[in-house]
Amino acid sequence: ILNVEQSPQSLHVQEGDSTNFTCSFPSSNFYALHWYRWETAKSPEALFVMTLNGDEKKKGRISATLNTKEGYSYLYIKGSQPEDSATYLCGERTSYDKVIFGPGTSLSVIP
Amino acid sequence: SQTIHQWPATLVQPVGSPLSLECTVEGTSNPNLYWYRQAAGRGLQLLFYSVGIGQISSEVPQNLSASRPQDRQFILSSKKLLLSDSGFYLCAWSVGTGVRQPQHFGDGTRLSIL
Repeated sequence: ILNVEQSPQSLHVQEGDSTNFTCSFPSSNFYALHWYRWETAKSPEALFVMTLNGDEKKKGRISATLNTKEGYSYLYIKGSQPEDSATYLCGERTSYDKVIFGPGTSLSVIP
Repeated sequence: SQTIHQWPATLVQPVGSPLSLECTVEGTSNPNLYWYRQAAGRGLQLLFYSVGIGQISSEVPQNLSASRPQDRQFILSSKKLLLSDSGFYLCAWSVGTGVRQPQHFGDGTRLSIL
């Protein structure tokens, strides 16, 4: 993997469903993995920053895992709500100075 | 607390005109500063970043430039805009050291080139 990739590109789920998406990243020069939530008409908001292989982070109904050896991270949302509708960005920190972002996963939660 | 200001919020410019977008950060010293662009239907592309006054790193060749005249001021410029410069521009800052530090984004500028 040469770039940060995210899948799926977009997702539509019913309110109450649980969902997850994937971030794949080059693991050769890994410093940290970032997850952000970007709601329409707002600026991206940091959810998690993870650095260690096997890291798991949780914030309310949202959680994330990290596998640095194989270069992927999963974001899980339990019991999706309409307010979870947003684009979820992951970014890999490849040095002390910069973060490279993936294209994002657009989530729509249908009431 | 720290805040980031980015302006203008929207801008409509003709092809060939100059550009200046400004970003300022308050409440922190020596931040890392970043300019990103989101073109239509695409993710965030890193354009420039700066780790200190006068220090600019460019990620992609283009007709844009960046400057950091003061510690907490980051400016994105162009002498002649192209149609392909349309997009949503975001400024961000992070604490200068520590890989666990997230990035904090401004509200963005929607740039339309006619």
